[in-house]
Amino acid sequence: GAGVSQSPSNKVTEKGKDVELRCDPISGHTALYWYRQSLGQGLEFLIYFQGNSAPDKSGLPSDRFSAERTGGSVSTLTIQRTQQEDSAVYLCASSPTGYLGYGYTFGSGTRLTVV
Amino acid sequence: SQQGEEDPQALSIQEGENATMNCSYKTSINNLQWYRQNSGRGLVHLILIRSNEREKHSGRLRVTLDTSKKSSSLLITASRAADTASYFCATVGAGSGGYNKLIFGAGTRLAVHP
Repeated sequence: GAGVSQSPSNKVTEKGKDVELRCDPISGHTALYWYRQSLGQGLEFLIYFQGNSAPDKSGLPSDRFSAERTGGSVSTLTIQRTQQEDSAVYLCASSPTGYLGYGYTFGSGTRLTVV
Repeated sequence: SQQGEEDPQALSIQEGENATMNCSYKTSINNLQWYRQNSGRGLVHLILIRSNEREKHSGRLRVTLDTSKKSSSLLITASRAADTASYFCATVGAGSGGYNKLIFGAGTRLAVHP
């Protein structure tokens, strides 16, 4: 596609439920990144994909968080047994490669609210 | 953990004035990038400066980099109301493992008043 697409744009879920957030990167971009942004804060790195593998998942906050990428394209971030502290905007970005020196193209994010 | 620290946290100016935002970072970098965010959603890439560069321009934007002080500045000249946004610096560490992992600062909120 022309840009990075994320869905849903907003998600309200009850505490304890599982949620899936989807990211569709720019066609041909091999690198994909997930970040989280709490209200009024900077971006917190979660995970990096190169193709379908995740060489760096060091930012995932707990084992309730997992992500996968299939076909070198769409990625899904799954949060199990959601907690109120998981409420944030989840941002996905892609870049042409994982090599140094490229800027990211971001999606518009998914605003997750856990009630 | 955040690598960059922006200063000031918030900036309020009149249209036509220049806006300067600063970013300091802690470890050696491969490159530093500036992004803009409107309304708390997706970020837009503005400019990338490599560690061996000292200054770059893009339209009304001017970015400087001082690796000896581990700092960068973003200057927006002749600001417009449409420049109102949050601005973030982000760095790729020299020891990032050779891949393009950006670490973001907390951002500067810029308000430009007509």
